[in-house]
Amino acid sequence: AQTVTQSQPEMSVQEAETVTLSCTYDTSESDYYLFWYKQPPSRQMILVIRQEAYKQQNATENRFSVNFQKAAKSFSLKISDSQLGDAAMYFCAYRSGLYFGNEKLTFGTGTRLTIIP
Amino acid sequence: NAGVTQTPKFQVLKTGQSMTLQCAQDMNHEYMSWYRQDPGMGLRLIHYSVGAGITDQGEVPNGYNVSRSTTEDFPLRLLSAAPSQTSVYFCASSPPRGLQDPNTEAFFGQGTRLTVV
Repeated sequence: AQTVTQSQPEMSVQEAETVTLSCTYDTSESDYYLFWYKQPPSRQMILVIRQEAYKQQNATENRFSVNFQKAAKSFSLKISDSQLGDAAMYFCAYRSGLYFGNEKLTFGTGTRLTIIP
Repeated sequence: NAGVTQTPKFQVLKTGQSMTLQCAQDMNHEYMSWYRQDPGMGLRLIHYSVGAGITDQGEVPNGYNVSRSTTEDFPLRLLSAAPSQTSVYFCASSPPRGLQDPNTEAFFGQGTRLTVV
């Protein structure tokens, strides 16, 4: 079974600064997908960024980027130019790439990000 | 453009009562899942379905029942509510890998905050 570990329960960053959230995972599969979800106080789960394991290039979405280290099984999220609206709980998640088994996500325990004005 | 709709958004139950959390999606997704979110534990899979008439257990299925009679609906039943079932419940849907975009994300409902007293 796959596991996802987020070792930072809480993080804080000054507005306009850069912060990195850590995520490690364990799997024996070679084909899989990794995601970062944002959960603001509204409870809505919002996809921030995703990475295909077969791609060496790190995914980027505007101010959000990842550092995907497949051999180390590490998938960190970097938020540049932090904004007050980035304050939320962030979840790292894994999805199998197998035809049978890709119907569900495995989540980490989350990192609560606070933005300091 | 409804996506995934969960009802109710909030519910208070007495120990021993039963109830059904409703989930409906209008995206014709084959995969649907129920997760519960507890502080410090992330989202954990309760039950999932890969299509109408097919359901299976996730990580924490005890005390819950599901059925999938249509593609659109995936209700979650609490048979006899217990305080340990106090949580936030999320329904999610996704198409299977390989259709259209193989790197498909899961779409989440707004969540149901359930309190069992």
